[in-house]
Amino acid sequence: QVQLVQSGAEVKKPGASVKVSCKASGYTFTGYYMHWVRQAPGQGLEWMGWINPNSGGTNYAQKFQGRVTMTRDTSISTAYMELSRLRSDDTAVYYCARDRGGGSCYSWGQGTLVTVSS
Amino acid sequence: DIQMTQSPSSLSASVGDRVTITCQASQDISNYLNWYQQKPGKAPKLLIYDASNLETGVPSRFSGSGSGTDFTFTISSLQPEDIATYYCQQYDNLLSFGPGTKVDIK
Repeated sequence: QVQLVQSGAEVKKPGASVKVSCKASGYTFTGYYMHWVRQAPGQGLEWMGWINPNSGGTNYAQKFQGRVTMTRDTSISTAYMELSRLRSDDTAVYYCARDRGGGSCYSWGQGTLVTVSS
Repeated sequence: DIQMTQSPSSLSASVGDRVTITCQASQDISNYLNWYQQKPGKAPKLLIYDASNLETGVPSRFSGSGSGTDFTFTISSLQPEDIATYYCQQYDNLLSFGPGTKVDIK
């Protein structure tokens, strides 16, 4: 079965960067886009972008362009999301989610809490 | 960017009630619309894709309809385990989520 396991919680200072990993299993990693979605405390879901694990191609939400980088390592079926120049309002749970094959977030990781605090 | 709105933002209903949530897109998105359920402390779960298709394993009391800019999500008979926040999401142009509708039991 599809499983996405994310890296553990992080605490960062404002201005720093964070890199969250998402290890996939149970399917062909290069066969499906991977999305990254975040959720601030008590707030809704916010799509950040996607990566095509086959080509490495990416597409980011305009809000995050210039601050987010999504990469992958096909040899270990792992996707990464790095967010730079962190601010306090970047405090959120960050999820990876495998596409269903058409723009749906079909299977989700368990989430990674990133706390930005001085 | 395509903006998504949902109404109501929250609702309370009794077990067995029919519950309806609406979602509106800022422009025509055809049927490129999904619905998710999120329970507290958990990751979201895809319930309905392409506006009206039930994901495998999802109970048939959940349904979706609509196309263009106006969409509806329905729980035909609310169950205690349906307490959650529900989100619509478009994928006509990149992805974006609605603000969510919190459903609880009266």
